[in-house]
Amino acid sequence: NAGVTQTPKFQVLKTGQSMTLQCAQDMNHNSMYWYRQDPGMGLRLIYYSASEGTTDKGEVPNGYNVSRLNKREFSLRLESAAPSQTSVYFCASSPPPGAKFVFGPGTRLTVT
Amino acid sequence: GENVEQHPSTLSVQEGDSAVIKCTYSDSASNYFPWYKQELGKRPQLIIDIRSNVGEKKDQRIAVTLNKTAKHFSLHITETQPEDSAVYFCAASPPIQGAQKLVFGQGTRLTINP
Repeated sequence: NAGVTQTPKFQVLKTGQSMTLQCAQDMNHNSMYWYRQDPGMGLRLIYYSASEGTTDKGEVPNGYNVSRLNKREFSLRLESAAPSQTSVYFCASSPPPGAKFVFGPGTRLTVT
Repeated sequence: GENVEQHPSTLSVQEGDSAVIKCTYSDSASNYFPWYKQELGKRPQLIIDIRSNVGEKKDQRIAVTLNKTAKHFSLHITETQPEDSAVYFCAASPPIQGAQKLVFGQGTRLTINP
């Protein structure tokens, strides 16, 4: 039982490059989330998926897209990376009725 | 939408003393309030949570209190130990259709001095 896994752990991109962050959970949770963490700002919600086949915007969705590939997997895509997207990205999942979030180990992304 | 304010941003206490971190929230519909501990370079880990129908919850040295009327909740750590040093985040969870999302405070860096 791996919980929530994320790949890659670290990534350096140049401005304008694209990439996809992968997240998977093996706990049969319905809901999945992407957060970003910047110093002094806590964690901010980018996108979430309440259930397979649905996605919705969070607080800071600009510059990102998501795909809920199946119940296990939820990916985050940066189409044209910008230095302002330098951050640590955490994926999380929660079971119904929700809220006891389990976080993945994070992806540290640097955009130069 | 929901907004969560957390204070203080940094807190330094002597080992064995108590530490208190406070949060306020804005959305009266929020019904779940977890606290997370995050060590350097690690993921946030849930340490205690409380639902809106409960006023207080305790787990060994950690307790959380909730005042729904005033819309604030607090984390209390007693008999602090060096391993309690970390960043602590509060969060509030407004219900949304089919799921719940967490809105986090800005975090408190707690340092326990030996």
